[in-house]
Amino acid sequence: DVKVTQSSRYLVKRTGEKVFLECVQDMDHENMFWYRQDPGLGLRLIYFSYDVKMKEKGDIPEGYSVSREKKERFSLILESASTNQTSMYLCASYDRYTDTQYFGPGTRLTVL
Amino acid sequence: SQQGEEDPQALSIQEGENATMNCSYKTSINNLQWYRQNSGRGLVHLILIRSNEREKHSGRLRVTLDTSKKSSSLLITASRAADTASYFCATAAIRSYNTDKLIFGTGTRLQVFP
Repeated sequence: DVKVTQSSRYLVKRTGEKVFLECVQDMDHENMFWYRQDPGLGLRLIYFSYDVKMKEKGDIPEGYSVSREKKERFSLILESASTNQTSMYLCASYDRYTDTQYFGPGTRLTVL
Repeated sequence: SQQGEEDPQALSIQEGENATMNCSYKTSINNLQWYRQNSGRGLVHLILIRSNEREKHSGRLRVTLDTSKKSSSLLITASRAADTASYFCATAAIRSYNTDKLIFGTGTRLQVFP
């Protein structure tokens, strides 16, 4: 079974702090994604990565950056957290043989 | 940019009944997928139907796709209390770097009462 893990289930940070959200997958997938999920808006793509050190902006990249130094790990970085970044963050890993995305359990981030 | 719209937004049924959720989308797609999310958790992939397929089954799930109407439906037969969750459709219209970029709808919240 594919396993995607995220570093924290719940996180509380203060405005202006630098925040790191980490995601690890164990299936050697090349493609990984970061989404945020907000009520009434569904899931929106922040960034995705198609290989080590390779990244592409999604639909809402502003205020975020990403890092992919190793194939299994994809990090989302909030350089200076703001209250409007309070959200559920979901990481996913993509299986290109089945066109399926496998999701981690999510990190609920609150920025005070 | 939101592509899929689920209908209804919320659905309440009794155990044993069937649940039907619909998804409409706007542009041509390569495939359409359904995911389930239990409260406050990650999404779990349920089923994928490709643009050249009309119907697909997986256990108690039946998915249909009508590309002429740009719509899909998910039927859960003989529902159980454990089926209580939110269900999302996701459309794959754009392929980039050998990956489908999925666009998710806002979901249908299903409540199954024992």
